[in-house]
Amino acid sequence: NFMLTQPHSVSESPGKTVTISCTRSSGSIASNYVQWYQQRPGSAPTTVIYEDNQRPSGVPDRFSGSIDSSSNSASLTISGLKTEDEADYYCQSYDSSNHQVFGGGTKLTVL
Amino acid sequence: QLQLQESGPGLVKPSETLSLTCTVSGGSISSSSYYWGWIRQPPGKGLEWIGSIYYSGSTYYNPSLKSRVTISVDTSKNQFSLKLSSVTAADTAVYYCARHILDSSGYYYSGWFDPWGQGTLVTVSS
Repeated sequence: NFMLTQPHSVSESPGKTVTISCTRSSGSIASNYVQWYQQRPGSAPTTVIYEDNQRPSGVPDRFSGSIDSSSNSASLTISGLKTEDEADYYCQSYDSSNHQVFGGGTKLTVL
Repeated sequence: QLQLQESGPGLVKPSETLSLTCTVSGGSISSSSYYWGWIRQPPGKGLEWIGSIYYSGSTYYNPSLKSRVTISVDTSKNQFSLKLSSVTAADTAVYYCARHILDSSGYYYSGWFDPWGQGTLVTVSS
């Protein structure tokens, strides 16, 4: 079994850049794609990154994803922060045993 | 534009079976490119995948819930359904249905969820 661990919360000022990490507990982070979702209060999640670093149409290029095998982590980076980016962010990946796994979520505050 | 909508009772008694249906509009549930999934979120907590189904009826479930979960599909109605048996207060959550898109790896257990339904709160209480 594997888990995806995210920081509970991060905060940054408007216009700055923030990075949210997602560390895989066992197995290689590079072995299966990682996705990232944004969830605003009272709303369903929406996809901001799929297949490690791909942006769905309509997601601004301020959002980017990456993988670091040395730390066995994925990262979501948001540049040029806007107040509208304030939300919870979840990473998600999978394997043949656990199937689909979500990280615990990170609350982003833009202040 | 594909849309999904959950429906079902908002209150279920302990030890009973939770039943929800997801109606898909704006596209066919019989598409060969997708699975269809259920995900839940307890109040104030994170997301938990419950299981996914292919239009043919092939399913796979979260191992931690597998003994209590049944997901089925009705292609004639463009719907898929969730049954969770022997519920307790720990099953109180917002339940979401979503299209489950397989990624380029080709694994049946791969992929991501998009779009999601708006979610429905199910409370387990006597």
